Amino acid sequence: QKEVEQDPGPLSVPEGAIVSLNCTYSNSAFQYFMWYRQYSRKGPELLMYTYSSGNKEDGRFTAQVDKSSKYISLFIRDSQPSDSATYLCAVSRSGGGADGLTFGKGTHLIIQP
Amino acid sequence: DAGITQSPRHKVTETGTPVTLRCHQTENHRYMYWYRQDPGHGLRLIHYSYGVKDTDKGEVSDGYSVSRSKTEDFLLTLESATSSQTSVYFCAIRGTAEETQYFGPGTRLLVL
Repeated sequence: QKEVEQDPGPLSVPEGAIVSLNCTYSNSAFQYFMWYRQYSRKGPELLMYTYSSGNKEDGRFTAQVDKSSKYISLFIRDSQPSDSATYLCAVSRSGGGADGLTFGKGTHLIIQP
Repeated sequence: DAGITQSPRHKVTETGTPVTLRCHQTENHRYMYWYRQDPGHGLRLIHYSYGVKDTDKGEVSDGYSVSRSKTEDFLLTLESATSSQTSVYFCAIRGTAEETQYFGPGTRLLVL
């Protein structure tokens, strides 16, 4: 079993819809959780970072972590065509991923105008 | 962009030749990382460094070596490139404020 599971999609939704992206992880030693956005042929860009269960909001983005079920989510409200990208979840045992991050495979998101 | 540059940005090489990729940062971060990204596998850690001359292996370190003689530079070497090392290579640094990692623009390597 891979340590982090993420549906690769593609996930296609109409503009303005609420998008839900999800990952599950297998090891309870992971305590830090991140979401990255990656546009085609670019490096991953940090969107959200959290280390506790619950919700964290930043503009149109909300990250949600449920450590009891080892489930992490990213919600995008009022989705825009510019949100079309691959979204990567990442986990780590230590703050800042000192010994490296473990990534899901990424979900390819398409927002239809 | 966290002040990270990678060179070269694109490289085509032949099987069996040595290849060195360079990551350069301008913000004096202690931790630096090399990942590779492949379809169906996502991003995987190759090696990382926690200081000058201090390095450790990641998940997919076989066939790779690294060196860090200066804080600002982290080199990844493929001693004898193989076709399985065709990939996109990303360098990352560990930030201080957010305590997470920031990535460079990547190097596309094709081994023929």
